[in-house]
Amino acid sequence: AQSVTQPDIHITVSEGASLELRCNYSYGATPYLFWYVQSPGQGLQLLLKYFSGDTLVQGIKGFEAEFKRSQSSFNLRKPSVHWSDAAEYFCAVGPQGGSEKLVFGKGTKLTVNP
Amino acid sequence: KAGVTQTPRYLIKTRGQQVTLSCSPISGHRSVSWYQQTPGQGLQFLFEYFSETQRNKGNFPGRFSGRQFSNSRSEMNVSTLELGDSALYLCASSQTGDETQYFGPGTRLLVL
Repeated sequence: AQSVTQPDIHITVSEGASLELRCNYSYGATPYLFWYVQSPGQGLQLLLKYFSGDTLVQGIKGFEAEFKRSQSSFNLRKPSVHWSDAAEYFCAVGPQGGSEKLVFGKGTKLTVNP
Repeated sequence: KAGVTQTPRYLIKTRGQQVTLSCSPISGHRSVSWYQQTPGQGLQFLFEYFSETQRNKGNFPGRFSGRQFSNSRSEMNVSTLELGDSALYLCASSQTGDETQYFGPGTRLLVL
């Protein structure tokens, strides 16, 4: 069965610092990969997705992620964090082929210090 | 386009009662999926509907059920509520041919 691991439960960074959130997945084929962000009390907002092609994908709010097949990873990065980026971030994997089930990691909560 | 909408946003029920949550997908989206989010278990897939048919189902007891209408709106029902059903219930919709799911704001259910 597919699974997603986000090793860091909680990360604290200073405003203006760079950020990397880790995501590793276990899946038998090339999956669809997603990063979502959730602010307190809100739903999930899509940051970016990878289906195929260029392994470096750009998303909204200045985020990017890189798919590395050899490492089964899809890490999320941002060069300079803003206080408004404080939220919880979820990595998810979805199967190709039409089944609409996403498997999520446990999430990484990001705190941004001024 | 308007996003995914969910009603109600907040709900308080007592054990043993039943509850119905509603989800309206993005216009033109025919697939609707439901997820349960709790602090302990995280985000877990409940079921997915497409063209009024349940296409996929997660590992939840039969107390959890859903349906989809001809206009793609979906409802989920939980019968005989238990304290452990307290959660944020998220609905997501997607377009045919696109695996991207777009989420609504969720319904927060508290069972007392």
